[in-house]
Amino acid sequence: GAGVSQSPSNKVTEKGKDVELRCDPISGHTALYWYRQSLGQGLEFLIYFQGNSAPDKSGLPSDRFSAERTGGSVSTLTIQRTQQEDSAVYLCASSLVGGRAGGELFFGEGSRLTVL
Amino acid sequence: SQKIEQNSEALNIQEGKTATLTCNYTNYSPAYLQWYRQDPGRGPVFLLLIRENEKEKRKERLKVTFDTTLKQSLFHITASQPADSATYLCALDSTGGFKTIFGAGTRLFVKA
Repeated sequence: GAGVSQSPSNKVTEKGKDVELRCDPISGHTALYWYRQSLGQGLEFLIYFQGNSAPDKSGLPSDRFSAERTGGSVSTLTIQRTQQEDSAVYLCASSLVGGRAGGELFFGEGSRLTVL
Repeated sequence: SQKIEQNSEALNIQEGKTATLTCNYTNYSPAYLQWYRQDPGRGPVFLLLIRENEKEKRKERLKVTFDTTLKQSLFHITASQPADSATYLCALDSTGGFKTIFGAGTRLFVKA
């Protein structure tokens, strides 16, 4: 597809389970971002990948959160031992360029996670 | 600490009027600032980008200003329409310039 694709669009899980959220960025985009948005709130930065550089993980809220980006393309955000406070919409975005070059971000529609 | 502030109160205006939204930041020296629109249940959509050496940028009914002395950007929608009702987010590159950080957004309601 032409846009950023995220899956699943909705995920309901039980507390303590692990979840994986997937992001397919736009082909050729070197920068990939994960954000979290709780109900009625703004976007909370989680992690940023830029090309082959080490990712900026400074926004990950705990060591239960991890992300990887394989082959400079698809990214997976993993949340281990989910807690109720992890419930949110997880948004992925990609950009042709990152850093101070200032590329516009293209967002997916998000993965809504509900932890019961 | 670094902060991006947008008015958390919703802005209600009458159709046809100009909507003005504010984005203030502290402890940043951004190379650029962006504005996005977000509709309920959707991902944000890019609207405009303005660089630090630009004072103003326009696109159709949208206008953005960037004052690096005041550390403020203003986002204007002229001749507003009910279809402009959405949440508007400002974003800028973080200190160090390696990631894009968002404000909390301002909800705009345009009444017919």
